[in-house]
Amino acid sequence: EDKVVQSPLSLVVHEGDTVTLNCSYEVTNFRSLLWYKQEKKAPTFLFMLTSSGIEKKSGRLSSILDKKELFSILNITATQTGDSAVYLCAVGRNQAGTALIFGKGTTLSVSS
Amino acid sequence: NAGVTQTPKFRILKIGQSMTLQCAQDMNHNYMYWYRQDPGMGLKLIYYSVGAGITDKGEVPNGYNVSRSTTEDFPLRLELAAPSQTSVYFCASIRDRGKGYTFGSGTRLTVV
Repeated sequence: EDKVVQSPLSLVVHEGDTVTLNCSYEVTNFRSLLWYKQEKKAPTFLFMLTSSGIEKKSGRLSSILDKKELFSILNITATQTGDSAVYLCAVGRNQAGTALIFGKGTTLSVSS
Repeated sequence: NAGVTQTPKFRILKIGQSMTLQCAQDMNHNYMYWYRQDPGMGLKLIYYSVGAGITDKGEVPNGYNVSRSTTEDFPLRLELAAPSQTSVYFCASIRDRGKGYTFGSGTRLTVV
């Protein structure tokens, strides 16, 4: 059975800390791994990774994929209270129309 | 471009009642999806559609039905609502597999 596992499930840090969120997967016909941020509304897209070892960056957020070890990490440096959210990892398969498989998410709380 | 529009945003149903959650997109996307999200559980796929007239079950389809008579609309029907269907429902669409989903704003449903 295909599955996506995120860890930790929740995390509390202080402003300015650096955090690493983990996502491992066991999915047949892997195509892509996506990270979303969710703040009490619909998830918003952060990154999509398809190639192993290539880091994607956007400001203080970065992510990398290891297709050999079947995992990805999302790093957030110099965290701010606005980073508090649920971070969702999802995996897409190489078959037209098939839906993303989501992990349970990591709830990040950043205190000031 | 309105993107993906979901209605209603909130609804309270009594056990045994029925309702339809509406989802419309104006991006000419072929692929559309319905997910439900329960606290701490990520998103679980209910039904999906790869084009007008074509629908298929996801991970948790029991108690729901869908139709896709046009490319734009993908309504989700709840028959005989049960407390277990209390959840937040998200509709999403995608043009091709190279991009992340576009999500609707969600419908918060409570069955009492």
